[in-house]
Amino acid sequence: GNSVTQMEGPVTLSEEAFLTINCTYTATGYPSLFWYVQYPGEGLQLLLKATKADDKGSNKGFEATYRKETTSFHLEKGSVQVSDSAVYFCALIRANAGGTSYGKLTFGQGTILTVHP
Amino acid sequence: EAGVAQSPRYKIIEKRQSVAFWCNPISGHATLYWYQQILGQGPKLLIQFQNNGVVDDSQLPKDRFSAERLKGVDSTLKIQPAKLEDSAVYLCASRPKLRVAGKVHEQFFGPGTRLTVL
Repeated sequence: GNSVTQMEGPVTLSEEAFLTINCTYTATGYPSLFWYVQYPGEGLQLLLKATKADDKGSNKGFEATYRKETTSFHLEKGSVQVSDSAVYFCALIRANAGGTSYGKLTFGQGTILTVHP
Repeated sequence: EAGVAQSPRYKIIEKRQSVAFWCNPISGHATLYWYQQILGQGPKLLIQFQNNGVVDDSQLPKDRFSAERLKGVDSTLKIQPAKLEDSAVYLCASRPKLRVAGKVHEQFFGPGTRLTVL
């Protein structure tokens, strides 16, 4: 079945440091890939997505590239802020060859990010 | 546009008691999901509805969990009787009905209900 593996956390950084959170996946077919973020006391929010190989998703300074050859979707940000402190989840959903998604999201275990001033 | 609403936000019960959670999806969203998020893990799907019909309940522990979506809008998830291992955050999510070719539909999540079973 489908699965997502994220790097072990938590991750603690100083403000303006470079961030990488690793994510690898196992899936059949043509999965679409996502990063969700969960700020303290809030629900999950979609951060960015990519629907096919070599696509780059980006939002709020975060980026991730869909790498089919390495089955990875690593999250990066060049300069983190205190406000980026949250839990980050990598996820995938099945999609057909035409890119239409269906079914449930499969999540990784989450990575806690804490950014200090 | 209002988001996905859930209540209560927190619930503490004794094991073997019953509990129910409520979800109101975004208006017009036909697909509704319930996920269970145990501390330190990612959310796992319990059940998926399309309107008022069940699409996927393969991961729902049916001996104790039940869910319904009468009239295809609000949904209720019930646990009876609760066990210690049911302590988790229960997330409700919804997405639009139409499956447009080539489009990845975002799921919108509510704030969750944090259940503690003592």
